[in-house]
Amino acid sequence: DQQVKQNSPSLSVQEGRISILNCDYTNSMFDYFLWYKKYPAEGPTFLISISSIKDKNEDGRFTVFLNKSAKHLSLHIVPSQPGDSAVYFCAARGCCPKTSYDKVIFGPGTSLSVIP
Amino acid sequence: EPEVTQTPSHQVTQMGQEVILRCVPISNHLYFYWYRQILGQKVEFLVSFYNNEISEKSEIFDDQFSVERPDGSNFTLKIRSTKLEDSAMYFCASSESENTGELFFGEGSRLTVL
Repeated sequence: DQQVKQNSPSLSVQEGRISILNCDYTNSMFDYFLWYKKYPAEGPTFLISISSIKDKNEDGRFTVFLNKSAKHLSLHIVPSQPGDSAVYFCAARGCCPKTSYDKVIFGPGTSLSVIP
Repeated sequence: EPEVTQTPSHQVTQMGQEVILRCVPISNHLYFYWYRQILGQKVEFLVSFYNNEISEKSEIFDDQFSVERPDGSNFTLKIRSTKLEDSAMYFCASSESENTGELFFGEGSRLTVL
């Protein structure tokens, strides 16, 4: 039961261009969304988050957009840099049958390659 | 910068053996978690821990698993009788607040069950 989906397992982008990573969720009880970045042999690192009361949050080169009606969020990285090459996980918290703040659910991840 | 530390970084064990994975969360954090990632698969929630008790656990976290915080600093995950399918990367995480999902993860402990 995939409550958080990332339908693109991989993405390649030229350095300097925009990277757009997409995420869809099925559970309308989710109220907080996060993006994590993971390098091989390391733990996930928090990148940026957005509350369900907002539709956009920006932090430097990273912007997350949330479309609640479509249950869709995206992470934009601009300009993309080779050091951004990593696996990006979309995550959400709050879950049926009750809203739970204790569990963050991860999507399967998208592997981003930024080509110099 | 404060960080979550995990030991061991890699453990190899025989099927049926007990394994204890250790974590030192960030010192002022109150919420603690274990996640695992089987090779090539997604990061899966195992358990969350607050106020010295489990607050939520997944269906993966069966009777073979247990967690405790014996001394107020270490947060341990015990697998009583390991199975081949327990082979995975186990990540400990902690967070300061229940109001956000900003978990800080350790670098993981790789468990290989033979």
